[in-house]
Amino acid sequence: DARVTQTPRHKVTEMGQEVTMRCQPILGHNTVFWYRQTMMQGLELLAYFRNRAPLDDSGMPKDRFSAEMPDATLATLKIQPSEPRDSAVYFCASGLASGPYEQYFGPGTRLTVT
Amino acid sequence: AQSVTQLGSHVSVSEGALVLLRCNYSSSVPPYLFWYVQYPNQGLQLLLKYTSAATLVKGINGFEAEFKKSETSFHLTKPSAHMSDAAEYFCAVSEGGAQKLVFGQGTRLTINP
Repeated sequence: DARVTQTPRHKVTEMGQEVTMRCQPILGHNTVFWYRQTMMQGLELLAYFRNRAPLDDSGMPKDRFSAEMPDATLATLKIQPSEPRDSAVYFCASGLASGPYEQYFGPGTRLTVT
Repeated sequence: AQSVTQLGSHVSVSEGALVLLRCNYSSSVPPYLFWYVQYPNQGLQLLLKYTSAATLVKGINGFEAEFKKSETSFHLTKPSAHMSDAAEYFCAVSEGGAQKLVFGQGTRLTINP
């Protein structure tokens, strides 16, 4: 049963610390998405990649957030420095670059910044 | 730009009753449409998808949705609610060839015993 995996599942850190979240997309999928979910804003798209190249990161605060795909089996989302307002659940999703474009979500990383 | 509107942020039904969750979309081209379900502390799970092959789409857990182009709607239904259906449901539309999904704000479904 192919699934998207994310690590860590939970992260508590202090303001100012660096946070790195990792995602392993489903094998064979060539698009990867990063989302953030909060009660206030709902589900927000932060960035996405096709064939490891960033296509759109307009949803991401550029000064502190960065997203990369070092290889086809790993995507990372980094926050440096972290702030309390970054507390949220971060989801990774993967899919194929051909229609109908459904996405498969990981279980999420719950980040708490104190 | 495409958009999705889910009518009702919170829907409550009795166990055994009909479930109806409403979704309207805006799109200038034939869309791909999706329903996702999110259980507490979990990621979003694909329930079903519309890809123009058939207007009535059946998904997992007894859910189905009907695409109505004239009404730009894609409402989700289930004939008889179970307690295990309590979750948040998201409607989404594919933004053309860009692969991005545009999500609705979600509808929280509560099942009363």
